[in-house]
Amino acid sequence: EVQLVQSGAEVKKPGESLKISCKTSGYSFTTHWIGWVRQMPGKGLEWMGIIYPGDSDTRYSPSFQGQVTISADKSISTAYLQWSRLKASDTAMYYCATARDTDAASPFPHWGQGTLVTVSS
Amino acid sequence: QSALTQPASVSGSPGQSITISCTGTSSDVGGYNLVSWYQQHPGKAPKLMIYEVNKRPSGVSNRFSGSKSGNTASLTISGLQAEDEADYYCCSYAGSSNSVFGGGTKLTVL
Repeated sequence: EVQLVQSGAEVKKPGESLKISCKTSGYSFTTHWIGWVRQMPGKGLEWMGIIYPGDSDTRYSPSFQGQVTISADKSISTAYLQWSRLKASDTAMYYCATARDTDAASPFPHWGQGTLVTVSS
Repeated sequence: QSALTQPASVSGSPGQSITISCTGTSSDVGGYNLVSWYQQHPGKAPKLMIYEVNKRPSGVSNRFSGSKSGNTASLTISGLQAEDEADYYCCSYAGSSNSVFGGGTKLTVL
């Protein structure tokens, strides 16, 4: 069974750094793209970017390029999303999801439970 | 890239059929047969309902179907049931290993 377990909710202040995680199991981590999706409070889904853990090839949506960093540690089948300087507008639920197959364009059939990030002074 | 355009809300009575549209451009929806649809209930993670325009993952009811014409994709739900009440999002590949979601549609079962 494919499982994606995300790290717990975070409350941070503007300007702080943060790294959230997505631990996976039940499939070949290194051969399937894994992505991150943002959902701001009461809003829709936004595709942030994807990473291929096998070689760490990473692609970002233009909207998120330079704003976040996506990484992966294949030794522990875990993907990460990090910020160097959080802003209040980063307050959102963040989901990780793994692709259906080895194609970067493939959809996400498996999702984590979400990590709520709250940024407030 | 801009979000795909979906109606904010649709509604239908139990047993009826509804269709949700998803309009993009020739750079996303119209350029690839790589449109997927997700269902999201309040407080839950999204669930993949349709991929590659009209394919259903194992376990998804055949009441859900997808289609595409030009730059517009559509999700049809037949035989509406109360449990179908949720938010629905389309998603399309947009080239350069990027994808884009629609703004979402709230389905109300009357």
